[in-house]
Amino acid sequence: QKEVEQNSGPLSVPEGAIASLNCTYSDRGSQSFFWYRQYSGKSPELIMSIYSNGDKEDGRFTAQLNKASQYVSLLIRDSQPSDSATYLCAGDTGRRALTFGSGTRLQVQP
Amino acid sequence: DAGITQSPRHKVTETGTPVTLRCHQTENHRYMYWYRQDPGHGLRLIHYSYGVKDTDKGEVSDGYSVSRSKTEDFLLTLESATSSQTSVYFCAISAGTSGRGPYNEQFFGPGTRLTVL
Repeated sequence: QKEVEQNSGPLSVPEGAIASLNCTYSDRGSQSFFWYRQYSGKSPELIMSIYSNGDKEDGRFTAQLNKASQYVSLLIRDSQPSDSATYLCAGDTGRRALTFGSGTRLQVQP
Repeated sequence: DAGITQSPRHKVTETGTPVTLRCHQTENHRYMYWYRQDPGHGLRLIHYSYGVKDTDKGEVSDGYSVSRSKTEDFLLTLESATSSQTSVYFCAISAGTSGRGPYNEQFFGPGTRLTVL
């Protein structure tokens, strides 16, 4: 079992809708979680970090963490075609490196 | 953008040849990482460094070695390249302290696409 699991998608949403991306993790020692956006042929770009249970909002992005359920999510409000990318979830288990999920491909339809 | 460069950006080589990839940072961050990214596997850690001359193995370290003689440079060497090492290689940096909490936000370089024929 991978330590960080994501649905590979593609997740298709219409422009202006809310995109919901989900991630589960198996290591209860994980303390911090990160969402990266990766456009095709480019490097991962950090868009959100979350360390505490609950919600964290930054512009159109909201990250949600539920440590009891070992669940992390990313909501993108008012989705735009420019949000079409692969979104990587990563967890920090304290071993100095991040463990990444395989990513969810998001397609925002104009 | 974080000040991270990787060289070369693209390389084609033959099986059995040695290859060295370079990561250079201008952020003076303590931690540096090498990942590889393959379809269906996501990003997997090869090696990382927590200081000059301090390195450790990651999940997929077989066939790779690293060196860090200066804070700003982290080198990844494929001793004898194989076709299974065809991949995209990313360097990342972090200002992390113990590796926990908010200080382990990692920032990625542009990547090196390596093809081993």
